[in-house]
Amino acid sequence: GEDVEQSLFLSVREGDSSVINCTYTDSSSTYLYWYKQEPGAGLQLLTYIFSNMDMKQDQRLTVLLNKKDKHLSLRIADTQTGDSAIYFCAESGGSNYQLIWGAGTKLIIKP
Amino acid sequence: DARVTQTPRHKVTEMGQEVTMRCQPILGHNTVFWYRQTMMQGLELLAYFRNRAPLDDSGMPKDRFSAEMPDATLATLKIQPSEPRDSAVYFCASGLQGASSNQPQHFGDGTRLSIL
Repeated sequence: GEDVEQSLFLSVREGDSSVINCTYTDSSSTYLYWYKQEPGAGLQLLTYIFSNMDMKQDQRLTVLLNKKDKHLSLRIADTQTGDSAIYFCAESGGSNYQLIWGAGTKLIIKP
Repeated sequence: DARVTQTPRHKVTEMGQEVTMRCQPILGHNTVFWYRQTMMQGLELLAYFRNRAPLDDSGMPKDRFSAEMPDATLATLKIQPSEPRDSAVYFCASGLQGASSNQPQHFGDGTRLSIL
């Protein structure tokens, strides 16, 4: 079946850029999403990209999509302590609106 | 900002008791999802409704779990009888699915359930 894979941890220094990567297998994905989960909270939609786009930028966030390699990345510029969270990648394919989720990448900020 | 509202936020109860979790989707959204999150399994889809009709509940243990939408503003997830292995965070999400495009799913803050 379809699968979404992410590294479990990423550690960066405050002020540096963070790049969180995700690979997926479903070639019929229409939308790809990034969600952020802070401790004790729900999943907050950060951004999403339609599969016919290569890039989307929103303030400090840049999403890159390589459809040929089925690779999605989220770049956070000038990483702050408030960016500490788990970041989930998800993709939707087909018409049933269900999402296939990655396991989440925990972003750790070093001072 | 419109939000998905879940109640209760926390629930601690003894094994064998009935547990009911409630969700108020964002007004105007036509799809509702129930997820369960644990450290071991991550995020699992339990059930999914569109226009109040259940479309997929294959992720839900049928013998003890039930999900309903009595009306467009309320979704419920019940566990009866509850077991310690049901301890998890249960999330509700809602979205708007259309013929030509799908809007992202928006999540509530979850119900943290502990079964003793």
